Amino acid sequence: QKEVEQDPGPLSVPEGAIVSLNCTYSNSAFQYFMWYRQYSRKGPELLMYTYSSGNKEDGRFTAQVDKSSKYISLFIRDSQPSDSATYLCAMSDFGGYQKVTFGTGTKLQVIP
Amino acid sequence: DGGITQSPKYLFRKEGQNVTLSCEQNLNHDAMYWYRQDPGQGLRLIYYSQIVNDFQKGDIAEGYSVSREKKESFPLTVTSAQKNPTAFYLCASSPSGGVGGYTFGSGTRLTVV
Repeated sequence: QKEVEQDPGPLSVPEGAIVSLNCTYSNSAFQYFMWYRQYSRKGPELLMYTYSSGNKEDGRFTAQVDKSSKYISLFIRDSQPSDSATYLCAMSDFGGYQKVTFGTGTKLQVIP
Repeated sequence: DGGITQSPKYLFRKEGQNVTLSCEQNLNHDAMYWYRQDPGQGLRLIYYSQIVNDFQKGDIAEGYSVSREKKESFPLTVTSAQKNPTAFYLCASSPSGGVGGYTFGSGTRLTVV
């Protein structure tokens, strides 16, 4: 079993829909949780960075962390065609260099 | 603008050949990382460096080598010992300890011909 599980999709939604992307994990030591967006043939870019449990909102994006369930989510409101990309979850414990474990990514397509 | 520059964007390697991928950052970040990305496997850590002249193996270091002679630069050499080198290679950097997440370069696509 992988340390971080993420549904690869693809996930297709109409423009304007609310998108929910999720990851589960098995390592209870993870404390830092991230979401990256990766366009095709590009490097990932950091969208959200959260510590421990709770919610964090940034514009149309909301990240949720439920450490008791070992489950994290990224919600995208009013989705746009420009949101079409692969979304990677990532997480780490407080190691000496904070090793990050990535999910395999969920491919999202927003249909105009 | 600050960022990470990876070059070349595409690279072709013949069997038995060593190739070097370049990674330069002007973010004044202490830590730098190399990841390999394959379809369905996510990002896997090859090497990382927290300070100049020091680096550590990641999860899949066999067949790869790195150097960190300058804070700004962290080149990766894919040696002939790496039997399956075709992949998308990503360089990243972060402030010391990785707090705050990584900044990634745009990647190098390496293909064996």
